[in-house]
Amino acid sequence: QSALTQPRSVSGSPGQSVTISCTGTSSDVGAYNYVSWYQQHPGKAPKLMLYDVSKRPSGVPDRFSGSKSGNTASLAISGLQAEDEADYYCCSSAGSYTYVVFGGGTKLTVL
Amino acid sequence: EVQLVESGGGLVQPGGSLRISCAVSGFTFSNYEMNWVRQAPGKGLEWISYISGRDGRNVNYADSVRGRFTISRDNAKNSLYLQMNSLRAEDTAVYYCARGGGSYADYDFWGQGTLVTVSS
Repeated sequence: QSALTQPRSVSGSPGQSVTISCTGTSSDVGAYNYVSWYQQHPGKAPKLMLYDVSKRPSGVPDRFSGSKSGNTASLAISGLQAEDEADYYCCSSAGSYTYVVFGGGTKLTVL
Repeated sequence: EVQLVESGGGLVQPGGSLRISCAVSGFTFSNYEMNWVRQAPGKGLEWISYISGRDGRNVNYADSVRGRFTISRDNAKNSLYLQMNSLRAEDTAVYYCARGGGSYADYDFWGQGTLVTVSS
């Protein structure tokens, strides 16, 4: 199984919206509604931001939303804030429910 | 408060072995699936292993570690383990234990990680 494809970097100004894509195949993103997104600040452990494509864990602001179309999932962040600057990783079941692949990660810069 | 604390990382020579542990607290460990995820220095996240809750009968491994790594759990000790054999330089990474959130590919709590360095 290959890693999912994400843009290396995206950027936006405070208050703006950005979208990060995550492209896989019909064996992973396209096959399962088990896509999740993680936020990681430098030197810190990852934090779950979305799961099952679009569900938010308790405590995650509704500025974060997710969607999926075919083999591509997307994370949208609206009303950008300085603290959103971080690396973001998508993740999907692949081949079986418990076999998982991550994307290469996207660095979000808040200008 | 849910806590996951990894330990056991360190420097090991290529071809060597190491066992890392993850001690958990704040939840009923036996009820949860657990995973190991690693991150090489300056690189992205890589899922490497899964174990089911209860008896841990179901396991799964990334192709990169299958046959070399073994995941296990001791519910009485609230601990998760990863036995790593035939280590290679490319196994150098921070290893995180992560709790399954109840669905798939959702890891709702993570430890702070333990660094494993494979070098001569």
